[in-house]
Amino acid sequence: KAGVTQTPRYLIKTRGQQVTLSCSPISGHRSVSWYQQTPGQGLQFLFEYFSETQRNKGNFPGRFSGRQFSNSRSEMNVSTLELGDSALYLCASGASGGVTDTQYFGPGTRLTVL
Amino acid sequence: AQKVTQAQTEISVVEKEDVTLDCVYETRDTTYYLFWYKQPPSGELVFLIRRNSFDEQNEISGRYSWNFQKSTSSFNFTITASQVVDSAVYFCALSETTSGTYKYIFGTGTRLKVLA
Repeated sequence: KAGVTQTPRYLIKTRGQQVTLSCSPISGHRSVSWYQQTPGQGLQFLFEYFSETQRNKGNFPGRFSGRQFSNSRSEMNVSTLELGDSALYLCASGASGGVTDTQYFGPGTRLTVL
Repeated sequence: AQKVTQAQTEISVVEKEDVTLDCVYETRDTTYYLFWYKQPPSGELVFLIRRNSFDEQNEISGRYSWNFQKSTSSFNFTITASQVVDSAVYFCALSETTSGTYKYIFGTGTRLKVLA
């Protein structure tokens, strides 16, 4: 079974631009969660999607948004990029998105904002 | 309040030493799950183990073992005879339902350096 894939793996943008990251979960998984990882803040939860609906959201500004498609693939968008958005963005896939779920992570997208 | 605490920020050991990574959690749920992940320099979080709140049996997998104690709200991870390839950041995580909302909460991680 193929694992979680994320594209692109690396991205360099400048302040004020916007960016879209993509995540394809494990086949059959319906939950996709997004995390931001920075050296100072650790792993921070962005949001979770299940069956195309956002079920959970972390404490991030509205510049961070996402969506999930009918095939469970998910995209995350960050608008008006700031230097502080430089981070590793990790996507996690889960079968059902409930408390019993194990989250399986992709390799991440490393975003650098100049 | 921190729900998952990994007090050890960084640990350095010499190869073949045993090392224990501590994890203390906090939850009011009676049903919850605990996890350990490994993050090597490549960045991907690799799932190691899952344990539910009703199963306090210790688990051993090769050189890895886990000690779950509800009385102390701890889920510690021991690597026996450490190897250089064990060098990574290790995260402990808690899955719970708070006010009807499912949450997956990570600790801040422990960086393990195994020196040859």
